[in-house]
Amino acid sequence: QMQLQESGPGRVKPSETLSLRCTVSGDSIRTYSWSWIRQPPGKGLEWIGNIDYNGNTNDNPSLKSRVTMSLDTSKNQFSLNLNSVTAADTAIYYCARFQSLQQLGRPNWFGPWGQGTLVTVSS
Amino acid sequence: SSELTQDPAVSVALGQTVRITCQGDSLRSYFPSWYQQKPGQAPIVVLYGKNKRPSGIPDRFSGSRSGNTASLTITGAQAEDEADYYCNCRDSIGNHPFYVFGTGTKVTVL
Repeated sequence: QMQLQESGPGRVKPSETLSLRCTVSGDSIRTYSWSWIRQPPGKGLEWIGNIDYNGNTNDNPSLKSRVTMSLDTSKNQFSLNLNSVTAADTAIYYCARFQSLQQLGRPNWFGPWGQGTLVTVSS
Repeated sequence: SSELTQDPAVSVALGQTVRITCQGDSLRSYFPSWYQQKPGQAPIVVLYGKNKRPSGIPDRFSGSRSGNTASLTITGAQAEDEADYYCNCRDSIGNHPFYVFGTGTKVTVL
């Protein structure tokens, strides 16, 4: 059974770069596409971006190109960097597998998810 | 517009039926997926595509879509269904796809 686990610093200073890793177990990251999703405390979910098994990425336009994602196939991990962070970037950050079907209506879904990691932006 | 709007909260009596709606223009073109999130836990997908349930999701969860509105229906709600529910749908700017979550609905089982 596939499992995902986020890791990284729990606190980042304003204007610096938030860096997180997601370790996948139970299958190769070269088989699927992967996502980052976040949730500010007490608020809703926000999609950050996707990376496919070839390393192609797409991200949320609202994050204004602050996002970089990459794969490390030797460690079966994928990573997120979010630069120029502010207090508004404080959130629980989740990684998840992304699946999409090439058919009418383009069904897609996120799952399974990691347990999430809280990142606080504060000096 | 890339927004997906949900009612903030709904309640349902134990064993009764509740419908959770999600509205947005992107739903006219793409299927939504639906997520259940219990307090302190990561979301799990309960429905995707044209009414597809992942393994382990009870058949009391079903979905539909018409025009710019999608619905998640729980038929015979159980106490363990009390949670926040989010829809998600693909959208695009030109050839650039992105994915939008709905505002979320808190379901209370009475």
